Amino acid sequence: EAGVAQSPRYKIIEKRQSVAFWCNPISGHATLYWYQQILGQGPKLLIQFQNNGVVDDSQLPKDRFSAERLKGVDSTLKIQPAKLEDSAVYLCASRSNARAYEQYFGPGTRLTVT
Amino acid sequence: AQSVAQPEDQVNVAEGNPLTVKCTYSVSGNPYLFWYVQYPNRGLQFLLKYITGDNLVKGSYGFEAEFNKSQTSFHLKKPSALVSDSALYFCALRMDSSYKLIFGSGTRLLVRP
Repeated sequence: EAGVAQSPRYKIIEKRQSVAFWCNPISGHATLYWYQQILGQGPKLLIQFQNNGVVDDSQLPKDRFSAERLKGVDSTLKIQPAKLEDSAVYLCASRSNARAYEQYFGPGTRLTVT
Repeated sequence: AQSVAQPEDQVNVAEGNPLTVKCTYSVSGNPYLFWYVQYPNRGLQFLLKYITGDNLVKGSYGFEAEFNKSQTSFHLKKPSALVSDSALYFCALRMDSSYKLIFGSGTRLLVRP
């Protein structure tokens, strides 16, 4: 079974620019997560989707971050405008209802904001 | 408040020796605990979980973890370390029925030949 796919793998932008990340979860996984992992820290949940609906976005800085999962499969995470402190690895994860305790992570997108 | 802590930033061990990576937690109610490993430029990989039952949980790649309710700990262990075990290890706690996880800050394991 193919894993969680993310693109791009790396992105460098200047502050105040915008950026978008893409995630394709494992086929059939209804739940999708976006995490932010700042260097030296553990991943922090930004948003959780169940199919195409948002379950939890309490940690998402909504003034600059947005995410969607229109057809309940792929998802995009956008930052506009970016700040220096947004430099981090953005991880996408998915899980199935059958194995609800296991989240499968993609390789991440490393964002550098200069 | 629910939280998970990894008190060691780095653990160094010689190949062939046993290893322990520590994790403590704070939660109201029953804890659901996990260990993940992260290799360079790769996503996190699930190692093992404790939901209920036996306090010694076995996982992937020969790792195991011991749940200790009285000490609120969930330490990761392996009887004989390999150089290839060198990676970043994260302990995680499930927050609620949404299966949301909170992660510790991570412990870098370095196994020297």
